[in-house]
Amino acid sequence: GDSVTQMEGPVTLSEEAFLTINCTYTATGYPSLFWYVQYPGEGLQLLLKATKADDKGSNKGFEATYRKETTSFHLEKGSVQVSDSAVYFCALSDLGGGSYIPTFGRGTSLIVHP
Amino acid sequence: EAQVTQNPRYLITVTGKKLTVTCSQNMNHEYMSWYRQDPGLGLRQIYYSMNVEVTDKGDVPEGYKVSRKEKRNFPLILESPSPNQTSLYFCASSLEGPAHDQYFGPGTRLLVL
Repeated sequence: GDSVTQMEGPVTLSEEAFLTINCTYTATGYPSLFWYVQYPGEGLQLLLKATKADDKGSNKGFEATYRKETTSFHLEKGSVQVSDSAVYFCALSDLGGGSYIPTFGRGTSLIVHP
Repeated sequence: EAQVTQNPRYLITVTGKKLTVTCSQNMNHEYMSWYRQDPGLGLRQIYYSMNVEVTDKGDVPEGYKVSRKEKRNFPLILESPSPNQTSLYFCASSLEGPAHDQYFGPGTRLLVL
């Protein structure tokens, strides 16, 4: 079946540091890829997405590129802020593989210090 | 304001006492789903619904029931809760399916004693 693997956290950075959170996937079809963010005490919010190879999703300074050759969708941000402290989830939806059940990674906690 | 609401937000109950967690969305979305979030396991889907009267099992459906009698509502029912159902539960909706952006509710934290 489909799977999503994220780097384990927590990731601890100082403000203005560069962020990378790795995400790799396996899928039988041609999935859409997502990054969701969960702030403390809240539900998940869509951060960005990409639906085909080489697409770049971007939002709030975060970016991720759909790399089919390496089956990856790594999240990056050039300069993190304290307010970016949250848990980040990589996810895929593989309708082409015949499933209406999305697959989520286990989440990566990001802690940004002033 | 577009939103998904859940009630209650916090619930403590005892083993075997039936409970219902409500979920409602105001975006006229067709697809709705329930997830549970457990430490180290991420989000796992319990049930989903593609439209009114159309529901199907997710990855972890055992011990749960759902219904979709109206498009906006998708309640989660635990007929006989057990301690292993202690978790954080999220309802979500999207326009047509999981390949579309999902909107999540604020979560319901359930403790089963």
